[in-house]
Formats: sequence, C-alpha cells, structure tokens
Amino acid sequence: AQSVTQLGSHVSVSEGALVLLRCNYSSSVPPYLFWYVQYPNQGLQLLLKYTSAATLVKGINGFEAEFKKSETSFHLTKPSAHMSDAAEYFCAVRGTGTASKLTFGTGTRLQVTL
Amino acid sequence: GAGVSQTPSNKVTEKGKYVELRCDPISGHTALYWYRQSLGQGPEFLIYFQGTGAADDSGLPNDRFFAVRPEGSVSTLKIQRTERGDSAVYLCASSLTAGVSYEQYFGPGTRLTVT
Repeated sequence: AQSVTQLGSHVSVSEGALVLLRCNYSSSVPPYLFWYVQYPNQGLQLLLKYTSAATLVKGINGFEAEFKKSETSFHLTKPSAHMSDAAEYFCAVRGTGTASKLTFGTGTRLQVTL
Repeated sequence: GAGVSQTPSNKVTEKGKYVELRCDPISGHTALYWYRQSLGQGPEFLIYFQGTGAADDSGLPNDRFFAVRPEGSVSTLKIQRTERGDSAVYLCASSLTAGVSYEQYFGPGTRLTVT
C-alpha cells in the first residue's frame, strides 16, 4: 500500500519569503509523486511530478520539489511567495505499472501575508 | 480546448434520496476517475474506468454507490439512499489513457450536501 503524509495543515508565510510544504511518502515500489494545487471552488491542478528521472523537479509558477529516497520525502518549495500562491496544496503518490489511482495527503493550506 | 466538466456544481438532497452526478471528460480521454473529497481531507479514490469498463472499483465505500460509463465518454456516479456522511465534493478526472505517466485532469467537482 502507498501513502503520503503532509506535515502541517496550515502554513503562513510573508510575501517574498520562502515557501516550504512538507510531504513524506510510504511505498513498497518505486513511487511516482505529485503535487497538486487547489484554488477555492476549482479543480485540482498539477504543479509538478516525479517519475524516477531527475530527482529535482521543476513545475509551474516557480515551484520545485526534490525527491529524497533516503528521507522518503518530496517537499515542495518556492523561493519567493506571491499573494496568488495562497491555496490548498496536495501531495499524492501513484504506483508504477497500470495501477492508476492517486493517493492523496490531507493537504496543506498556504496563507501568504503582506 | 474544453476541460473536464461536472454537473451539477452543487446538489442538496434529503437523507434517503437517490442522486446522480455527471462527469464529461476531455474529448478523446479513455480513462476516467472518480474521487471524493470530504471537508478538510484530501481526495479519496472511488473508481476508475478504462473505456466502458470499471477497471478498479476498490474505493467505492459500499453498495449504495455505483458508477457507469456506457459509451466510454460521459460517466454518472449514482448514490442510493443517501446518508449525511455522503456529503462531500465529488471530483472527476480524466486522462488520455490509464497508466502512471499520463496526467489526470480534474474537473471542478460537485458539492453534495445531504440534509
């Protein structure tokens, strides 16, 4: 079975500060890992994904994440927060092979303050 | 092009009633997924279709939940004898085909409230 744990249900940062959202995974097979963003009353949008190629993955809107097998982590970062980054962020894992379902974490709400 | 659409956007129903939630996937996408997102939680997998057939329905919570995709395009999630615990946002996603390397595109969801 695969799972992800997101540490911190709420994170608040100042505009221009570093964003760090934490995700740890558990998987018995090499995982595919994802970060999604959800704006109010909108569907989930893919930010980035790790598919066993480069361990540092760059996504949209200046976000990136690093896969660290030794720490079973896939933390999401952005060097400088913008007000428009305020949203709910979900980490998700998906097994290799034909199993297609995503298993999501509980989410982290990012607040950006002036 | 058009994304995944879901109707209705909101549905309020009384306990015990039957509801249908509709999902229109992106044209040409053969794989379709249903997830349920309860308040304060991440989405939870319910079922996925590859074409017309349900390839994995392991996430359906009980036999009150059923989904169909008769022509391999539009899908309907059906909930019988609704309970207050069924209140959640039901998300639909589609991908070009099943398989881990294919991105799932999500619709805006249907917010179901059972009173």
